[in-house]
Amino acid sequence: SQTIHQWPATLVQPVGSPLSLECTVEGTSNPNLYWYRQAAGRGLQLLFYSVGIGQISSEVPQNLSASRPQDRQFILSSKKLLLSDSGFYLCAWSGNSNQPQHFGDGTRLSIL
Amino acid sequence: QKEVEQDPGPLSVPEGAIVSLNCTYSNSAFQYFMWYRQYSRKGPELLMYTYSSGNKEDGRFTAQVDKSSKYISLFIRDSQPSDSATYLCAMSVIGNTPLVFGKGTRLSVIA
Repeated sequence: SQTIHQWPATLVQPVGSPLSLECTVEGTSNPNLYWYRQAAGRGLQLLFYSVGIGQISSEVPQNLSASRPQDRQFILSSKKLLLSDSGFYLCAWSGNSNQPQHFGDGTRLSIL
Repeated sequence: QKEVEQDPGPLSVPEGAIVSLNCTYSNSAFQYFMWYRQYSRKGPELLMYTYSSGNKEDGRFTAQVDKSSKYISLFIRDSQPSDSATYLCAMSVIGNTPLVFGKGTRLSVIA
């Protein structure tokens, strides 16, 4: 069966510091991969999605970037964190664009 | 008008009640409809996945889609305290991504 792993579960970072969040999927090949941010009362906002290695689509302009160095690995990064980057970050995968997405357990990021 | 509207609640019901959760949407191109359950500090978990109009049942859960009214529902029968969570509806267009989510309805089932 397929599983998705995200780490760390919780992260506290100072303003201006870099960020790297990692997501890996097991038990499937060539998944679609997604990064979402969930803010209280605002629902899930899609940040990036990828249909293959090195292929990244960005949904909103922001202080973040994403990379997919391997088939089942998706990384969310920032060079300098802003206070507004605080939130709950979720990684998800799907088999193809018509299949439902399955989520990891997220990373709660607090910026001080 | 927002693309997907979902009453945030909170909704509080006694154990054993039938719960009805709903979403309305504006984009008639949506063809795939999903319901996710999210416990506090966890990622959303897929509950139901339906294509186009109709009903789908899985245990105590029934999902309904009415494309003519642009309205989807999730019914929970014999609700349990373990059903207490936030329920998110989501939908997508055929062959397209991303999913569009409602903001979620917070449900509490009281023992």
